Parts: sequence; C-alpha cells; structure tokens
Amino acid sequence: NAGVTQTPKFQVLKTGQSMTLQCAQDMNHEYMSWYRQDPGMGLRLIHYSVGAGITDQGEVPNGYNVSRSTTEDFPLRLLSAAPSQTSVYFCASSYSFLRGNNSPLHFGNGTRLTVT
Amino acid sequence: GESVGLHLPTLSVQEGDNSIINCAYSNSASDYFIWYKQESGKGPQFIIDIRSNMDKRQGQRVTVLLNKTVKHLSLQIAATQPGDSAVYFCAETIYSSASKIIFGSGTRLSIRP
Repeated sequence: NAGVTQTPKFQVLKTGQSMTLQCAQDMNHEYMSWYRQDPGMGLRLIHYSVGAGITDQGEVPNGYNVSRSTTEDFPLRLLSAAPSQTSVYFCASSYSFLRGNNSPLHFGNGTRLTVT
Repeated sequence: GESVGLHLPTLSVQEGDNSIINCAYSNSASDYFIWYKQESGKGPQFIIDIRSNMDKRQGQRVTVLLNKTVKHLSLQIAATQPGDSAVYFCAETIYSSASKIIFGSGTRLSIRP
C-alpha cells in the first residue's frame, strides 16, 4: 500500500515553461487536493476534487490547472511557470470530506519546484 | 476572515517534559480540527483530530483540547522525546461554497537534551 505518491521529487523549470506534477493514491479516496508550502509558512490550498470528474478552486488557483479523470490520479499542471511558483507542492487525499463524516488528509512527500 | 493562527512560532522544551502547542481559529462554523506533524523533507503526518461535539480527545502521548467558546485548540504531548522535534500545524475544516481545510503557519518544536 503506497499511499499518496508524488512525482517528481525535484524539478527545475525556466520561466515560461510548462509541466505537470503527478499525484496518485491507491486508497480509493474520493477527495484529493493540492497545496503549496512556502518557506516558514503553512500550506495553501490550490485546487481540490471531491470525486472523479469534479474539481474546484482553492485559495491560490491562478497559474494552475487540474483534472480528475480517475479516482486514483490528480495531476497539477503549471501552464507557464513563474518564479513566484517556486515552492514545495503537496498532494493530499482523504476518504471522506462530508460534513460530519470527515477523515484526515493523507499527504505525499512533496515536489520541490524551482523556477528560474 | 477565515484564519487559523498559532500563538507561538517556536517552542523549546526539555526532553521528558510535556509540550503544549496552541492554536486559535476564527471560523465559528468549523466543526473538524486536525493536528499534523511535519518533519524536515516530508509531508505533513496526521497526529490526532477532534470534532466540534467534543472538547477533548486522547491518543498515544497526545491530547487535543478544543475550546469553542474562545475558538482555541491545543495539542499536548506528554513526555516529549527527541523524535517529537518537528513543525506542528493545526488545521480547521471550513464548509462553504468551497469546502476546504485551512492550515496555520506552524510551530517548530525543538527538544533540549
């Protein structure tokens, strides 16, 4: 049981390049989300999904796209990388996000992205 | 506005003592709270959670207290060990048009030998 798997672990991009951060979970979780973590700060929600085919914006969605074609995968796409997107990106999933029936998020180990 | 904050950004405790990490939240409608531990280079790891219909929940060496009157959350770690050194985050779940989990900025716990 691998949990939440993120690839790559490290990535360096030049300004304007695009790329996709991969996230996969094998726990049959309905809820998946992407966070970014900047130095000395907490996690900020980028996008989330409550199930296959459903996505929504979080606190800082600009410059990122997501899709959820399967329950297992939730890729994050950077359309045109900017230095402000230098950060550590975490994918997280949860069995349930229904009010009164929540379960905690399970996190991957992150992708460290540098945009030069 | 919606926010989750921490009173102390850093906390240094003697090995073997108890640690108390505090957190304030601002959304009175939040009904699910979680504490996470993050070690260097890793993703946050679930420690313990509590629902708003409870005021205390205990785990192994950890206790979470919830005071809804003053919107305050705390994490108590008993007999702190070197392996407890990490950054600790509290988080609240907010239900609105965009249901989301909001994280605080974190408290770094360091252990003195």
